[in-house]
Amino acid sequence: AQRVTQPEKLLSVFKGAPVELKCNYSYSGSPELFWYVQYSRQRLQLLLRHISRESIKGFTADLNKGETSFHLKKPFAQEEDSAMYYCALGTPSNDYKLSFGAGTTVTVRA
Amino acid sequence: KAGVTQTPRYLIKTRGQQVTLSCSPISGHRSVSWYQQTPGQGLQFLFEYFSETQRNKGNFPGRFSGRQFSNSRSEMNVSTLELGDSALYLCASSSPGLPYEQYFGPGTRLTVT
Repeated sequence: AQRVTQPEKLLSVFKGAPVELKCNYSYSGSPELFWYVQYSRQRLQLLLRHISRESIKGFTADLNKGETSFHLKKPFAQEEDSAMYYCALGTPSNDYKLSFGAGTTVTVRA
Repeated sequence: KAGVTQTPRYLIKTRGQQVTLSCSPISGHRSVSWYQQTPGQGLQFLFEYFSETQRNKGNFPGRFSGRQFSNSRSEMNVSTLELGDSALYLCASSSPGLPYEQYFGPGTRLTVT
């Protein structure tokens, strides 16, 4: 069965410092991985997908199949990055189920 | 394009009652997924519908059910409510071919007393 683990519930960093959110997954096949973000009083929204290998709002995430990880990184955190971040796993077998990690709350301090 | 809408936004029910929540997806989206969000359990998958068919279901008791209509609007129903059903219920829609790129609604906050 697929599973997503985000080991940090809370992460606090200073503005301008690097931030890294950890995500590990368990799935025997080739996964599709995503980061979703929820800003205060806003809807949950898609931030990044591993397939497009893009940088959004300065965030990047690399899929490491050997370590079964998909960590989210940003070199210089901004106050507007304060939010709840969820790592999510979809499976190409198309069972149409998106499995979410428990989430990490990021606070960026001035 | 209008986003995903959910009604009602807030609901207070008593134990033993039943409740129906509604979700209207983004125009053109035919897949609708439902999630339960609680502080303790996070986001838990309830079920997913596409073209009026349930394609997958999470590990919830049979008291939780759903359906989808021909216009892709979806409803979920919870019967015999329990205190533990208090949660934010989120609906998300996605376009054909991109089932995991989901657009979420604002949620319905259900409180069971």
